[in-house]
Amino acid sequence: GESVGLHLPTLSVQEGDNSIINCAYSNSASDYFIWYKQESGKGPQFIIDIRSNMDKRQGQRVTVLLNKTVKHLSLQIAATQPGDSAVYFCAETRPGGSNYKLTFGKGTLLTVNP
Amino acid sequence: EPEVTQTPSHQVTQMGQEVILRCVPISNHLYFYWYRQILGQKVEFLVSFYNNEISEKSEIFDDQFSVERPDGSNFTLKIRSTKLEDSAMYFCASSEVAGVTQYFGPGTRLLVL
Repeated sequence: GESVGLHLPTLSVQEGDNSIINCAYSNSASDYFIWYKQESGKGPQFIIDIRSNMDKRQGQRVTVLLNKTVKHLSLQIAATQPGDSAVYFCAETRPGGSNYKLTFGKGTLLTVNP
Repeated sequence: EPEVTQTPSHQVTQMGQEVILRCVPISNHLYFYWYRQILGQKVEFLVSFYNNEISEKSEIFDDQFSVERPDGSNFTLKIRSTKLEDSAMYFCASSEVAGVTQYFGPGTRLLVL
């Protein structure tokens, strides 16, 4: 069925390393994607977004890559810090059916080891 | 920086009781949302609200749920008769317009006993 999902449930990295978190989506009509970070006991926090007419977008220490051919989204975090430890969700919106709701993936737990 | 706020942070209630969860969206935002997250699971959409009416609702949002914008700042989610399975974190979100970034509040942890 239509879904947004993640390849790996957990990722453990050393402080200073780069992290890559992956996400697959199944609906080729999805046109807007967002990465959220969720720390324990808190709400999802916006990190970066990308529209389907783009392949790459960069922020501060983060880069999102979108491969529409294979319906794959990734979040790259440069020089990962202990404060980056959290669950990372990708989310999508789709035109047509609804521009109003986000569909979330299952989340990847990123653990940064000092 | 403007942010979405929610009250209470925690709510414990007995099964069958009514609860009202409150949210203050970001002031210039026009679209409002409720999501929930059962412990250890992904965030699920409940309802979206615009121009004083529901834009879309999920299968979860049955007749026991209702939303309201009683004044110019608050946005509430009411569960009329809570069930054990309503125990979850409830997140309010808002966005300036549809189809753009939604900003989330810190959530209300609801526990139904």
